[in-house]
Amino acid sequence: GAGVSQSPSNKVTEKGKDVELRCDPISGHTALYWYRQSLGQGLEFLIYFQGNSAPDKSGLPSDRFSAERTGGSVSTLTIQRTQQEDSAVYLCASSLGGGARNEQFFGPGTRLTVL
Amino acid sequence: GENVEQHPSTLSVQEGDSAVIKCTYSDSASNYFPWYKQELGKRPQLIIDIRSNVGEKKDQRIAVTLNKTAKHFSLHITETQPEDSAVYFCAASTLNQAGTALIFGKGTTLSVSS
Repeated sequence: GAGVSQSPSNKVTEKGKDVELRCDPISGHTALYWYRQSLGQGLEFLIYFQGNSAPDKSGLPSDRFSAERTGGSVSTLTIQRTQQEDSAVYLCASSLGGGARNEQFFGPGTRLTVL
Repeated sequence: GENVEQHPSTLSVQEGDSAVIKCTYSDSASNYFPWYKQELGKRPQLIIDIRSNVGEKKDQRIAVTLNKTAKHFSLHITETQPEDSAVYFCAASTLNQAGTALIFGKGTTLSVSS
């Protein structure tokens, strides 16, 4: 079956512009995660959605970052007034159920470049 | 919250040698510890995991050990091959307001030379 998909694969934007990154999780997966991977850095947790529970936003680096998950499926990560330090690969992952014991399947990522 | 430290950041070995990557965590409530492998230009993929009720798990050339008292766990790769070259991430589970998520280490870049 289809894995996690993300769009766009690459995004180049100018400083100060807003961007939206999309994640389509594996069908039936109730948990969805966003991570940021900067060059030479690890996987920085951003936000976590589980079913209909309020999302855990504890990893969002500033109030310029927000995310939504509509209908328990597709998620959009929005970065407002982008800064150069926002340049990174943004990875989305989904898992079958809640709880970290479920394997997380990653998407291919969106490479964001802020000029 | 949970904090995961991973060492070393880079590791170079000769083909056939063993490689060991170590991680420590801070949250004593963590009970699940997966390892992910990310090849160049590809997405991370789960290679092995361990739960807190066991101390060791093996899968062919890969093994993971867990010491809950000391709050550290390690990945062992034996008889390394060039295709093992990748970035390896450890992670530990953490309980937060939405449920249980994973906190990842910063990764270890393993290079296996033939």
